[in-house]
Amino acid sequence: AQTVTQSQPEMSVQEAETVTLSCTYDTSESDYYLFWYKQPPSRQMILVIRQEAYKQQNATENRFSVNFQKAAKSFSLKISDSQLGDAAMYFCAYRSSFSNFGNEKLTFGTGTRLTIIP
Amino acid sequence: KAGVTQTPRYLIKTRGQQVTLSCSPISGHRSVSWYQQTPGQGLQFLFEYFSETQRNKGNFPGRFSGRQFSNSRSEMNVSTLELGDSALYLCASSFGGANYGYTFGSGTRLTVV
Repeated sequence: AQTVTQSQPEMSVQEAETVTLSCTYDTSESDYYLFWYKQPPSRQMILVIRQEAYKQQNATENRFSVNFQKAAKSFSLKISDSQLGDAAMYFCAYRSSFSNFGNEKLTFGTGTRLTIIP
Repeated sequence: KAGVTQTPRYLIKTRGQQVTLSCSPISGHRSVSWYQQTPGQGLQFLFEYFSETQRNKGNFPGRFSGRQFSNSRSEMNVSTLELGDSALYLCASSFGGANYGYTFGSGTRLTVV
């Protein structure tokens, strides 16, 4: 079974600064997907960024980028130019690519609460 | 386009009762998954439906069940509620297939007293 570990329960960063959230995972599979989700107080999980394991290039979405180290099974999220609206719980998640349709299970880490200091 | 709609937003039930939660996916999405979120256990996978068939089930007792209708709307049911069932229940929809992302609803907050 796959596991996802987020070792930082809480992080804080000054507004406009850069912060990196850590995530490690354990799997015996070679092909899979990794995600970072953001959960603000509104409770809705919002997709921040996605990475396919077969792609060596790190995914980037505007101010959000990842450092994907497949051999080390590490998937960290970097937020540049932090904004007040970035304050939320951030969850790292894993999904196997085995079996295309169906089998949509996501395995989540325990989350990191990010606080933005004005 | 409309997002994933979960109803109700909040629910208070008494121990021993049963409850039904509803999830309407994004139009065209055929896969619906359910997750339970609690402070102690985090986010745990309940089950997943695709085209009215349960394709995957998490490690939850048989009191937790679900179904999906022909219009892809899904319901989950919890019978004989226990205090430990108090949680945020999240629904996520997808087109289905590994290449597609998931869109989550805002969840139903269930409190069992």
